[in-house]
Amino acid sequence: AQSVTQLDSQVPVFEEAPVELRCNYSSSVSVYLFWYVQYPNQGLQLLLKYLSGSTLVKGINGFEAEFNKSQTSFHLRKPSVHISDTAEYFCAVSDGLGMRFGAGTRLTVKP
Amino acid sequence: DVKVTQSSRYLVKRTGEKVFLECVQDMDHENMFWYRQDPGLGLRLIYFSYDVKMKEKGDIPEGYSVSREKKERFSLILESASTNQTSMYLCASIGTARTEAFFGQGTRLTVV
Repeated sequence: AQSVTQLDSQVPVFEEAPVELRCNYSSSVSVYLFWYVQYPNQGLQLLLKYLSGSTLVKGINGFEAEFNKSQTSFHLRKPSVHISDTAEYFCAVSDGLGMRFGAGTRLTVKP
Repeated sequence: DVKVTQSSRYLVKRTGEKVFLECVQDMDHENMFWYRQDPGLGLRLIYFSYDVKMKEKGDIPEGYSVSREKKERFSLILESASTNQTSMYLCASIGTARTEAFFGQGTRLTVV
C-alpha cells in the first residue's frame, strides 16, 4: 500500500514570507496526489490535486505544488502567506487501493 | 451541492458499548472510506469499500467493522468501545475517477 510522509509537523512563518510544506510518498503504482487544508474547527477542503500532465499544479488561495516523480515528492508552496493561511495541511495519495494521508503540517502565520 | 452526511457531530458512549457511526453520500460514488483523525497522527484509514457489500481493511482495522448494504450508506461499527477509540471519525466518498475525496463533517466520539 502507499504511504505519505510530511516532513515537518509545524511550520511557523511571518506574514508575507514564502513557505514550503514538504511531502514525500511511496507507492508501487502510479498515483494521484492531493493537498487538503483544515482550518480550525472546520472540515477538510481540497487545495489542489495532481492527476496527470503538467507537474506544476496551481490551487486555491495562491498555493501551488510540484510533482517530482524521481524524488517521489509533492511539495506545497506559497510565495507570500497571510494570517488567514494559518491551518493544518494534509498531503494525500491515491492509487486505487485507498486514499492515505500524511500526519499533517500545522502552518502558523505570525504578524 | 455534493454532500456527505454523518449521522452525529458529537457522541459519548460507555466502555463496552456497541457503537454505530453512519455515513450517507448523495453523489452515487462507488468508493467510501472511514478514517480517524488524532492530533499529530493525521488521518488514518480504518476501512474502505469500493462497492456494495465489499469491504477492505485499511491500516488500523482492529476493533472496528463496517457494513455497506446500499451504495449510498457506509457504516462503521465499534463492536465493544474502548477509551482508546476516543477520536474524531471522518467519512469520505470518492468517485470512480478518484479525482477528489468529499468529506463529512466528522463525528467526535468520546468513550468514557
